Amino acid sequence: DQQVKQNSPSLSVQEGRISILNCDYTNSMFDYFLWYKKYPAEGPTFLISISSIKDKNEDGRFTVFLNKSAKHLSLHIVPSQPGDSAVYFCAASADSNYQLIWGAGTKLIIKP
Amino acid sequence: KAGVTQTPRYLIKTRGQQVTLSCSPISGHRSVSWYQQTPGQGLQFLFEYFSETQRNKGNFPGRFSGRQFSNSRSEMNVSTLELGDSALYLCASSLATSGRRDTQYFGPGTRLTVL
Repeated sequence: DQQVKQNSPSLSVQEGRISILNCDYTNSMFDYFLWYKKYPAEGPTFLISISSIKDKNEDGRFTVFLNKSAKHLSLHIVPSQPGDSAVYFCAASADSNYQLIWGAGTKLIIKP
Repeated sequence: KAGVTQTPRYLIKTRGQQVTLSCSPISGHRSVSWYQQTPGQGLQFLFEYFSETQRNKGNFPGRFSGRQFSNSRSEMNVSTLELGDSALYLCASSLATSGRRDTQYFGPGTRLTVL
């Protein structure tokens, strides 16, 4: 039973346009969400996070939106750059333990 | 400051063998977590160590074990390897000053292939 789902295995976006990566979760106890980026042959690197008390968090070109009623979050990258081509993972955790639950990842390809 | 290092980077073993993977966290980080990543799957949590004690454990069989030393370095052991154990094993460290909210910093991983 996948508690965190990233339904798009891959996404292709033109350079300069907006990239929108989506993530759905099923566990209503999740109250903290993170996005990580992973390049080939490297470990994931932290990108941005959001607590369930907020519905939006912004950091430069990256914005994460949280819709608690829909159990959905999205990562917006504006404008998309070639260096953004990577696999993006969504992860979530609940207050009850230390464990992060991860989605399967979405491969983002930025076309020149 | 040096990042998280993992050794070896690549490993080929045969079924039934055992393997030990090593992780050196960022200096000052006391928490080390281990994950398994297979194609099409997210990162599956194996276990977390803090101050030499296993603080949390995922849903993996007892063949998977780990330990942490007093210098926070951690090792993960898999006994009686199976073909399905072929995966990228990632280690992550964090300060753990405020529990799970701390950012995890990942190493490059160890690619294990079981033949």
